Formats: sequence, structure tokens, C-alpha cells
Amino acid sequence: NAGVTQTPKFQVLKTGQSMTLQCAQDMNHEYMSWYRQDPGMGLRLIHYSVGAGITDQGEVPNGYNVSRSTTEDFPLRLLSAAPSQTSVYFCASHGEGVTGHLYEQYFGPGTRLTVT
Amino acid sequence: GENVEQHPSTLSVQEGDSAVIKCTYSDSASNYFPWYKQELGKRPQLIIDIRSNVGEKKDQRIAVTLNKTAKHFSLHITETQPEDSAVYFCAAIGGAQKLVFGQGTRLTINP
Repeated sequence: NAGVTQTPKFQVLKTGQSMTLQCAQDMNHEYMSWYRQDPGMGLRLIHYSVGAGITDQGEVPNGYNVSRSTTEDFPLRLLSAAPSQTSVYFCASHGEGVTGHLYEQYFGPGTRLTVT
Repeated sequence: GENVEQHPSTLSVQEGDSAVIKCTYSDSASNYFPWYKQELGKRPQLIIDIRSNVGEKKDQRIAVTLNKTAKHFSLHITETQPEDSAVYFCAAIGGAQKLVFGQGTRLTINP
């Protein structure tokens, strides 16, 4: 299993540009989430999904859209990039009781985004 | 919604001593409390977790305790080693299946 994969690893955008961060998992997990991590900060939840066709907002959803058309994929769209969105973005997935942990969250390697 | 507070933000201990990190949560419906370790430039990784029906769980040098009445839980690392240096995050999952993280604790083990 590849686990959780994210592309790209690095991205530089100009203010106002749009882009999609890709996330995929091959563990058949129902739950997927997007977090952002600013330098020296914790992980803040942007959006999450409890299954295909179902998404909901997290703590910091403004400026981002998500969709979940399949169990495997959970792309994050930046509608009009702003310097405040400069951050490291982590995608994560978890399933119930898969490994003996109730909800073990698997993280992707992250996407480092810079908006100039 | 759920809010998780974590203290301290930084912690420095001598190698071989113990380290304790504390978290409080707000949602009484939260039923699962994991702890993650993040090394510099890497993704967070689960190190230990505890369910709401358990008061304490131990895995070698790492233990977690949970006080549901007070809504707080703690991570205890004994006999600390240099490789324990990292940022540690607590988290909580409630009824909405959202995993909400604390702000993180940067732990430094001094040789």
C-alpha cells in the first residue's frame, strides 16, 4: 500500500491564482481530512469528509473548497490564493479500528505552498 | 465545536528525566484521544492513544492518562532519550468524527 499520497510536494503561487492540491489513499478509509500547519504552529483542520459525497467544514475553511467523489480521492482547491495561505498542507485519512487503534490517522507527506 | 488546549508550548528536560505534557478538551462527547510526534520536516505520526472508557494506557516508556470528569489527558515520557526530541501534539475526536489538535509542545532533551 502507498498509504496517503499528496501532490505536488512544493508549489509557488502568485496572489489570485487558483490551484488544486491532490490527495489519495489506498487503504479504503472512510474519513479524510485536510490540515494546514503554519511555521511553529499546530495543525488546523480545513475541511473533512466522512465518506464519498459528504464533506464538512473544519476550523479554517475560508478560501478553500473540497469534494469527495470517490473514497480514494479528496482534492483541496484554493480559489484565489492569498499570502495568508502560505503554509504546509497535510492530507490525512483514517478508518475505524483498522489497526487496533480506534481511529489511527495516517498523514500524507505534505505540500509546502508559498503564495507571493 | 471541540477545542483542545495543550501545555506547555516548550519543554526542556535532561536526558533520563521524565517529561509530562497536558491537554484539556471542551467537548464532553469526545471519545478518543491520540498523541502524535512530529520530527522536523516530517509528517505527524501516532505514538499512543486512549479511548474514553480507559483511564490509563502504557507502551514501554510512554504512557497516557485520561480524566474524563475534568476533561484533561496527559502524555508521560519516562527515561527520556535524545531521539524523543520533537514536537508532540495531542488531539481529540468527538461525535462529528473531526480530529482537533492541540497547539503542540516542542520537547528538547538535553544530553
